[in-house]
Amino acid sequence: DAGVIQSPRHEVTEMGQEVTLRCKPISGHDYLFWYRQTMMRGLELLIYFNNNVPIDDSGMPEDRFSAKMPNASFSTLKIQPSEPRDSAVYFCASSLALGGIMNTEAFFGQGTRLTVV
Amino acid sequence: AQSVTQLDSQVPVFEEAPVELRCNYSSSVSVYLFWYVQYPNQGLQLLLKYLSGSTLVKGINGFEAEFNKSQTSFHLRKPSVHISDTAEYFCAVSQIKGYQKVTFGTGTKLQVIP
Repeated sequence: DAGVIQSPRHEVTEMGQEVTLRCKPISGHDYLFWYRQTMMRGLELLIYFNNNVPIDDSGMPEDRFSAKMPNASFSTLKIQPSEPRDSAVYFCASSLALGGIMNTEAFFGQGTRLTVV
Repeated sequence: AQSVTQLDSQVPVFEEAPVELRCNYSSSVSVYLFWYVQYPNQGLQLLLKYLSGSTLVKGINGFEAEFNKSQTSFHLRKPSVHISDTAEYFCAVSQIKGYQKVTFGTGTKLQVIP
């Protein structure tokens, strides 16, 4: 498997524009996580899915942020409208629960560096 | 609820010297513990994890960590660091039961000085 794949790697957009970040988890993994990393706040969990269903979105900062997982192999994180303070590196990660034992590591993508000007 | 505290935001250390990166956690239930490393412009990758059994866990690149339940700590150690160990290190915790939610600390930047 190629690992968790995120696109784009870099995104520069103007304030007010819609931004869509994409993630392809590792095949067979049933958990998917979206994280945001900034210098000020470190690594924050935004939302995570189990079997394509959103379980906890309490980390989503505002209604401008939304995430979907239409199938097991694809997820999007959308920001509409974007603001300069959204500039950060956004990571997607996936993991596998084996027989209900929640002990496996999360595998991370290389991240999308978002700059909103 | 669970949380992770990494008190040291930066740790400078000379090459070949030992290092310890500190991690304390808080949780109302039993947890699994992890250390991840992030090299510049890369995603996080797992160094080691504690699930159960021996409290001393050995990971990749010569790192090890010790789980101390009474002190709720999971400090990361390496007896002799190399320049290539320069990176940011994250401690993380997830609950044993229930949905898997991994909570990360704020990270510690290890700077190895030649």
